Amino acid sequence: SQTIHQWPATLVQPVGSPLSLECTVEGTSNPNLYWYRQAAGRGLQLLFYSVGIGQISSEVPQNLSASRPQDRQFILSSKKLLLSDSGFYLCAWSVIKASGPGTDTQYFGPGTRLTVL
Amino acid sequence: AQKVTQAQTEISVVEKEDVTLDCVYETRDTTYYLFWYKQPPSGELVFLIRRNSFDEQNEISGRYSWNFQKSTSSFNFTITASQVVDSAVYFCALSELNDMRFGAGTRLTVKP
Repeated sequence: SQTIHQWPATLVQPVGSPLSLECTVEGTSNPNLYWYRQAAGRGLQLLFYSVGIGQISSEVPQNLSASRPQDRQFILSSKKLLLSDSGFYLCAWSVIKASGPGTDTQYFGPGTRLTVL
Repeated sequence: AQKVTQAQTEISVVEKEDVTLDCVYETRDTTYYLFWYKQPPSGELVFLIRRNSFDEQNEISGRYSWNFQKSTSSFNFTITASQVVDSAVYFCALSELNDMRFGAGTRLTVKP
């Protein structure tokens, strides 16, 4: 069966510090991978998605970046965190379908709760 | 642009009551997919159901049922005989070819 891991589970960082959140998937090959952010009490905002190694699509311009160095590894980074980066970050995966990455069911990881002070 | 509206921000019921969570969507595509996810207090989103635009059959899974009506662009979710463990935020989502959008979510509280 497939499992998705995220770490760390919680993180408190000062403004201006760097960020690195990691997501890994087990039990599947060549998945689509996604990063979402959920601000407190709000819905999910898609930040990035990747259909393969080194292939990243950005949905929202911001001071965050994503990388996919390996097939089942997805990393969210920032060089300098802002207060507005606080939130709950969720990684998700889906099986690639020929019809496009948006049509398949996405399965989510446990999330990382980031607080920027 | 596609859009998902969950007009009910918060709902509170007493255990064993039935509750319906509303979801209304907007899309120009004829092929699309609708989803419901549950987010318990732990934070992880749990997949509940996926329905494509060509399948309007209602679905029942235990105490959960879904009513998809293209005529009103709605995909409503009903929990029968609610339980305290149903307390969570529920998200409706709409996906087209290369995009997936979530509603703002409905927070359901089931009181004992």
